[in-house]
Amino acid sequence: KNEVEQSPQNLTAQEGEFITINCSYSVGISALHWLQQHPGGGIVSLFMLSSGKKKHGRLIATINIQEKHSSLHITASHPRDSAVYICAVESNTGNQFYFGTGTSLTVIP
Amino acid sequence: GAGVSQSPRYKVAKRGQDVALRCDPISGHVSLFWYQQALGQGPEFLTYFQNEAQLDKSGLPSDRFFAERPEGSVSTLKIQRTQQEDSAVYLCASSFTGLAGYTFGSGTRLTVV
Repeated sequence: KNEVEQSPQNLTAQEGEFITINCSYSVGISALHWLQQHPGGGIVSLFMLSSGKKKHGRLIATINIQEKHSSLHITASHPRDSAVYICAVESNTGNQFYFGTGTSLTVIP
Repeated sequence: GAGVSQSPRYKVAKRGQDVALRCDPISGHVSLFWYQQALGQGPEFLTYFQNEAQLDKSGLPSDRFFAERPEGSVSTLKIQRTQQEDSAVYLCASSFTGLAGYTFGSGTRLTVV
């Protein structure tokens, strides 16, 4: 049973394309995070969301609490965006955290 | 330090050997988390500390896994009698509280041969 589901699992895009990664979850949450993991590198927190939408540079994250769904968008994608993007949620019933299996993004020049 | 520091960066252990993995969280961070990440998978939660108290250890896969944080700062994840299925990257993360300001270390890649 996966409390957090991400799609697609793998994604290849041409430089400049608009990219969307989706995350659905089945538990009640207090917050949702989008994380970025570069090959061989550590994980960086991109966004923390509890409602609405956040934007940072070319990255936009949205969340719909009623539908238990979040999306991460990348505008004007660039090869340096190539990484694994992970959706993670913090349960609202205690100190429990759930992670998606990640979306591997490759942006081709 | 500026970030979460984990050591060693890489560890090769013979099957049956005990290993200890260290995590130095960001100074002042109350919450500390350990995760196990198998190749091609997302991180799987192992255990969580708030200061020195281990509040959740439900993710530890067996009684061979043990974590401690005796003074509420540095944490050690110990794996006894390592098995090949323990091969993974072990990630540590810390925050002031919950997932807010959540920062991951670079991980320790454990290979059991």
